[in-house]
Amino acid sequence: GAVVSQHPSRVICKSGTSVKIECRSLDFQATTMFWYRQFPKQSLMLMATSNEGSKATYEQGVEKDKFLINHASLTLSTLTVTSAHPEDSSFYICSARDWQGGPGEQFFGPGTRLTVL
Amino acid sequence: QQPVQSPQAVILREGEDAVINCSSSKALYSVHWYRQKHGEAPVFLMILLKGGEQKGHEKISASFNEKKQQSSLYLTASQLSYSGTYFCGTAISGNTPLVFGKGTRLSVIA
Repeated sequence: GAVVSQHPSRVICKSGTSVKIECRSLDFQATTMFWYRQFPKQSLMLMATSNEGSKATYEQGVEKDKFLINHASLTLSTLTVTSAHPEDSSFYICSARDWQGGPGEQFFGPGTRLTVL
Repeated sequence: QQPVQSPQAVILREGEDAVINCSSSKALYSVHWYRQKHGEAPVFLMILLKGGEQKGHEKISASFNEKKQQSSLYLTASQLSYSGTYFCGTAISGNTPLVFGKGTRLSVIA
């Protein structure tokens, strides 16, 4: 299957700082990527859809000024958590759908575990 | 709208079978199944498209009943490695993001 990488895999930061998470599609181009957040023992909740060359689409209840998304190229999307607080601690996972010759499987990156102290 | 998964949790002995269901109140374009182990990202298992189909992946297979908007994941002769949380993700069209169910926690014991 297609490969999606994510960096960093784990980050610990102090309250009030900003954290940037990178998501890359390694072997296919992704005009659209998705950012999910998962709290312990819960499901994956869609935060936003990242669109290459245009503004991201945020789900209801997700603050676009707090979670900045930039999709600068066909293989890279970044999520910046600004002024992070302890309640932002979570597992952040990006994904992309690979449409090349197939029905559009959605592959996930390995995730980033964010801990805000 | 979030699809509904059942059961919430199941415990199996090695070699036993299990069925996990996923249903939606909306007309679906596709259903995607994933398995997630603790602390890891979800791993893609298979995708089923509208029109109704059935797929197999080793001893794991799935079906999609378009009339009922329901998909089922079948695990046969379970192995210890099958343990994890299984999620179904549904899409109402080809370019919309997946919405995931709450997951089914599967534990396979020796």
